[in-house]
Amino acid sequence: GAGVSQSPRYKVAKRGQDVALRCDPISGHVSLFWYQQALGQGPEFLTYFQNEAQLDKSGLPSDRFFAERPEGSVSTLKIQRTQQEDSAVYLCASSLGTGRDRYEQYFGPGTRLTVT
Amino acid sequence: TQLLEQSPQFLSIQEGENLTVYCNSSSVFSSLQWYRQEPGEGPVLLVTVVTGGEVKKLKRLTFQFGDARKDSSLHITAAQPGDTGLYLCAGASDAGGTSYGKLTFGQGTILTVHP
Repeated sequence: GAGVSQSPRYKVAKRGQDVALRCDPISGHVSLFWYQQALGQGPEFLTYFQNEAQLDKSGLPSDRFFAERPEGSVSTLKIQRTQQEDSAVYLCASSLGTGRDRYEQYFGPGTRLTVT
Repeated sequence: TQLLEQSPQFLSIQEGENLTVYCNSSSVFSSLQWYRQEPGEGPVLLVTVVTGGEVKKLKRLTFQFGDARKDSSLHITAAQPGDTGLYLCAGASDAGGTSYGKLTFGQGTILTVHP
């Protein structure tokens, strides 16, 4: 498909477990974003990549959150020692990254993480 | 910190009625996007506005960006049950080195259109 894909779609983790969430952006999109969305709320920015470089990680809530995009395409968001407050939908978005197109982000379906 | 206040938070109307959703901030944005999100899916981009005073129409949807680029509105004419969903406004600012399009989202408006 031509859209952004994310896996897994659903993840249940016991408190203290580590999880890894994957994002496949649209081919050719330079910019990649991760957002966290609580139930009934708007998404909140976590981190931004331009190709393989992580240029903004100001939204990561703690040092338990780590993201990478080693080859400038697929990205992984890792959460270590999960806590109940980490339960949320994690959204990935990509954009062309230049000109007016940098404002238009295309979102994946999200991964719903539930920490029990 | 830039904030976007979206109102109303909930809207329940009958098919055929008109409605307006508002998105307000004290900050200036370089662009303003509106997204629609359905349960279990990611937000889908509806429109991007970048010029103060800009008005865009998409079938029954009309989007407006305020002259000062601090606020926006979404107006739906003759709402249909298929319009039901979560509507999100999101602003991007080029200030502070964030010219890559970092988005700040409003809290969202949950719209329910009853047949």
